[in-house]
Amino acid sequence: DQQVKQNSPSLSVQEGRISILNCDYTNSMFDYFLWYKKYPAEGPTFLISISSIKDKNEDGRFTVFLNKSAKHLSLHIVPSQPGDSAVYFCAATWAGNQFYFGTGTSLTVIP
Amino acid sequence: NAGVMQNPRHLVRRRGQEARLRCSPMKGHSHVYWYRQLPEEGLKFMVYLQKENIIDESGMPKERFSAEFPKEGPSILRIQQVVRGDSAAYFCASSPRDSGGSPLHFGNGTRLTVT
Repeated sequence: DQQVKQNSPSLSVQEGRISILNCDYTNSMFDYFLWYKKYPAEGPTFLISISSIKDKNEDGRFTVFLNKSAKHLSLHIVPSQPGDSAVYFCAATWAGNQFYFGTGTSLTVIP
Repeated sequence: NAGVMQNPRHLVRRRGQEARLRCSPMKGHSHVYWYRQLPEEGLKFMVYLQKENIIDESGMPKERFSAEFPKEGPSILRIQQVVRGDSAAYFCASSPRDSGGSPLHFGNGTRLTVT
């Protein structure tokens, strides 16, 4: 049972434009949500997180939005840069439990 | 990914052999998670451990797979009698406490190839 879903396997964006990556979840117990970035042959790197008491968290070019009623999470990257090209995973958890990961979205930023 | 150390980075085993994957968590982290990534797939949870204690092993295959995190030393993921389907990237992650409000930090993985 895939509790965290990323329905877009890939996304291409022009350099300088906004990248929007989406994630849906089914478990209403989740209270902590995260985004990770992964380059080939490396482990995932933590990018940004948000707790369920917030609906937005911003860190530089990265902003995460949480819509609890829709059980939807999104990551905005603006402006997008070629170095942002990677696979992005969303993840969710609640206290004391495993982290559930989506299947990833491969982002390509075109120079 | 500095801090969580996994070794070896690459491991080749013949069918039927044993594979031992090691993970040293970041300093001060007492929680370890193991994930597996099959080719073209996402990260699949395997097991969550604290020192000397398995918290959740719901993602571990019932046979041939085991994990430990002893009081001293690294966490070990052990796969006995490996088969070709075990070929994957195995990632270890650590956190300073349980998952409430603290992100996981990943190592660079061990890529297991079964020939």
